Amino acid sequence: GQSLEQPSEVTAVEGAIVQINCTYQTSGFYGLSWYQQHDGGAPTFLSYNALDGLEETGRFSSFLSRSDSYGYLLLQELQMKDSASYFCAYNAGNNRKLIWGLGTSLAVNP
Amino acid sequence: DTGVSQDPRHKITKRGQNVTFRCDPISEHNRLYWYRQTLGQGPEFLTYFQNEAQLEKSRLLSDRFSAERPKGSFSTLEIQRTEQGDSAMYLCASSVGGDRSYEQYFGPGTRLTVT
Repeated sequence: GQSLEQPSEVTAVEGAIVQINCTYQTSGFYGLSWYQQHDGGAPTFLSYNALDGLEETGRFSSFLSRSDSYGYLLLQELQMKDSASYFCAYNAGNNRKLIWGLGTSLAVNP
Repeated sequence: DTGVSQDPRHKITKRGQNVTFRCDPISEHNRLYWYRQTLGQGPEFLTYFQNEAQLEKSRLLSDRFSAERPKGSFSTLEIQRTEQGDSAMYLCASSVGGDRSYEQYFGPGTRLTVT
């Protein structure tokens, strides 16, 4: 079957670093995406890994290990505005449709 | 604003009525996706268009749902004979083709409430 697992909630303080893990199970895999969604808002693209390794985009980095079916999103220098839900999603097929996890709710406290 | 737009933003309807939602993608994007999201869940894929061709439709989607993308521009999603279980946020996303097709841009969504 197709599934992704990620923690439901994470809490951290401003300025800290937090890692959100994602494991997946699928018969077809083209890459792992990460999206941020604030309450009541639309998902916004953060990062994508097609190959093993680390991708860095400003304060956000994403890592993928295809052999372990595992990835993570690393958020550095946390700010209050980073409080949101973070979703991992994998691209299934050439049409790039996204299969999503349940999301991780991140609370950043002062 | 050149982002993805959706209309209406909110729709309240009675069970059994038909509803239609519209999505206007980013103009140069040839790929368009519809997703559905309920509270506490990730978005669920519904259907995908490349230009005007509907190339995939979720097996979870009942025959009451239909989508079109005439002329490869805007898209409409129609739900016939709505049921309470259809209450959700309906999200539209678009992307370019090729190497950057994994980066999908989402509209603000249409929140449907079926009473």
